[in-house]
Amino acid sequence: DAGVTQSPTHLIKTRGQQVTLRCSPKSGHDTVSWYQQALGQGPQFIFQYYEEEERQRGNFPDRFSGHQFPNYSSELNVNALLLGDSALYLCASSSPQSYGDGYTFGSGTRLTVV
Amino acid sequence: TQLLEQSPQFLSIQEGENLTVYCNSSSVFSSLQWYRQEPGEGPVLLVTVVTGGEVKKLKRLTFQFGDARKDSSLHITAAQPGDTGLYLCAGILPGAGSYQLTFGKGTKLSVIP
Repeated sequence: DAGVTQSPTHLIKTRGQQVTLRCSPKSGHDTVSWYQQALGQGPQFIFQYYEEEERQRGNFPDRFSGHQFPNYSSELNVNALLLGDSALYLCASSSPQSYGDGYTFGSGTRLTVV
Repeated sequence: TQLLEQSPQFLSIQEGENLTVYCNSSSVFSSLQWYRQEPGEGPVLLVTVVTGGEVKKLKRLTFQFGDARKDSSLHITAAQPGDTGLYLCAGILPGAGSYQLTFGKGTKLSVIP
């Protein structure tokens, strides 16, 4: 049973560029959340997608946007990259039935902005 | 200001020792989860606690949720090198439409053989 799959695993971008990260949720899960984890910090909530809509958003600027597709996969887009956007970006999936069981996280995409 | 404070931040112990890590907040949470994260990987769920005063055991790990649902602890008995990792607590605030996990900064545990 495949867990959460994220791509790419590593990425290097230049300041000002745009980036798209991708996530396929665990089989049976329909909800996808994105988190940013800076070095030495706990993950910070970016937003959550359910039924192809952004259901909740954390304290991140509009440069961070996302999308969920009918097959429940999701993309995270970041525009006008800043050095401070360098972090591990984690995707987590869940379903209403497994809500109390926590979230399943992918291994993340390590983004480095130079 | 960090909503969830974890302590200690770093812990290095010998194999076979016992340890406790703490997760504290001034806010009430509807549920609290503990995750373990290894370098280059995403967090892996260990346990979810939802009832104040709840105690859950997972082999050598014991989790407790405070009576007021503002704090939690994780106790490991006879630590092993395989327990090494970053332990994160994460909570969900009460209220309709609240789905985000709020994480602490974590406790980095090293168990020395």
